[in-house]
Amino acid sequence: GDSVTQMEGPVTLSEEAFLTINCTYTATGYPSLFWYVQYPGEGLQLLLKATKADDKGSNKGFEATYRKETTSFHLEKGSVQVSDSAVYFCALSFSGTYKYIFGTGTRLKVLA
Amino acid sequence: EAQVTQNPRYLITVTGKKLTVTCSQNMNHEYMSWYRQDPGLGLRQIYYSMNVEVTDKGDVPEGYKVSRKEKRNFPLILESPSPNQTSLYFCASRRTAAEKLFFGSGTQLSVL
Repeated sequence: GDSVTQMEGPVTLSEEAFLTINCTYTATGYPSLFWYVQYPGEGLQLLLKATKADDKGSNKGFEATYRKETTSFHLEKGSVQVSDSAVYFCALSFSGTYKYIFGTGTRLKVLA
Repeated sequence: EAQVTQNPRYLITVTGKKLTVTCSQNMNHEYMSWYRQDPGLGLRQIYYSMNVEVTDKGDVPEGYKVSRKEKRNFPLILESPSPNQTSLYFCASRRTAAEKLFFGSGTQLSVL
């Protein structure tokens, strides 16, 4: 069945380090892909999305590219800040259906 | 302001005592859903609703009930809570399939 696999955390980085959080998916068809972020004590909020192959989503310095050939949607940021400390979820969804599939989440901790 | 409102934020109860977690959205969204978040398991869908009076089971519906009598409200009902339902619960809504989800702030439930 359809699924999303994320790298296990926690990921601990120093401020200004480069961030990569891996996400791969298994899907029959062509899903839209999403990254959501959950700050402490809050609900999830959309960080970025991509709807078709080779699309790049970007927001707040974060980027992810929809790679159909490797079924991946890795999240990257060139220089992380303490305020980026949160849990990051990769997800997929199909147009025409109401199914949303989330990965298990990756906790990021950025140290000053 | 567009938002999904859940209440209560925190709830401690005892086994077998019926409870309801309320969820309301002010965006006129047709689609609403409930998730539970558990460490190492990410978000799992409990129930979803595609419109008024239309609900369906998600991945982990056992022990839960929902209703959708009005478009804005989607309460989650635990008729006889058990300790394995101790979890962080999120309500979410969206306008159409494959669009972003708007999440509430969460309800931390502890069943003793």
